[in-house]
Amino acid sequence: AQSVAQPEDQVNVAEGNPLTVKCTYSVSGNPYLFWYVQYPNRGLQFLLKYITGDNLVKGSYGFEAEFNKSQTSFHLKKPSALVSDSALYFCAVRENNNDMRFGAGTRLTVKP
Amino acid sequence: GAGVSQSPSNKVTEKGKDVELRCDPISGHTALYWYRQSLGQGLEFLIYFQGNSAPDKSGLPSDRFSAERTGGSVSTLTIQRTQQEDSAVYLCASSSHGGFNSYEQYFGPGTRLTVT
Repeated sequence: AQSVAQPEDQVNVAEGNPLTVKCTYSVSGNPYLFWYVQYPNRGLQFLLKYITGDNLVKGSYGFEAEFNKSQTSFHLKKPSALVSDSALYFCAVRENNNDMRFGAGTRLTVKP
Repeated sequence: GAGVSQSPSNKVTEKGKDVELRCDPISGHTALYWYRQSLGQGLEFLIYFQGNSAPDKSGLPSDRFSAERTGGSVSTLTIQRTQQEDSAVYLCASSSHGGFNSYEQYFGPGTRLTVT
């Protein structure tokens, strides 16, 4: 069965600095990879996905993620962090069916 | 259009009571998922329904938990003889099937369950 790992519980960055939230996955077939964000007291929102094509995927709010097959990673990145980016970020993976698994989440804190 | 809705938004129940949580998916979405999120924790997969196929119940934590999906639309998650460790936010999500714009899940606002 597919699985996903987010090795960092917490990531702290200063506003204006680049940010990276890490995600690695394990699947037996072709992965479909996703990032979701959960702002305080709000539901999960879809950020971006990789299905096929270019390894660099651009999503909402200036975020992007790079699919790296050899390293089985799909790290979320943003060139310049904003305080408003502070939230809980979830990586998720799906194989060739409709069953999705989420990581444990990484809490991003951007300090002014 | 209408998103995923869940009811109730909050539920406080006494230990040992049964509770039912409802999810209305986006119209036309064939896949429906239930997750549990404990305070400050990640998402724990519970169960998923895909069309008329048998549901994947592999995430249900005990036989006190069950779920149904009637007519391929509305789903009910039932927790019998609730325990304090069942306290969490229960999230429902749905997704379409097929096509490039499918696969991502759309989440409801969740039901916050508190067992006293």
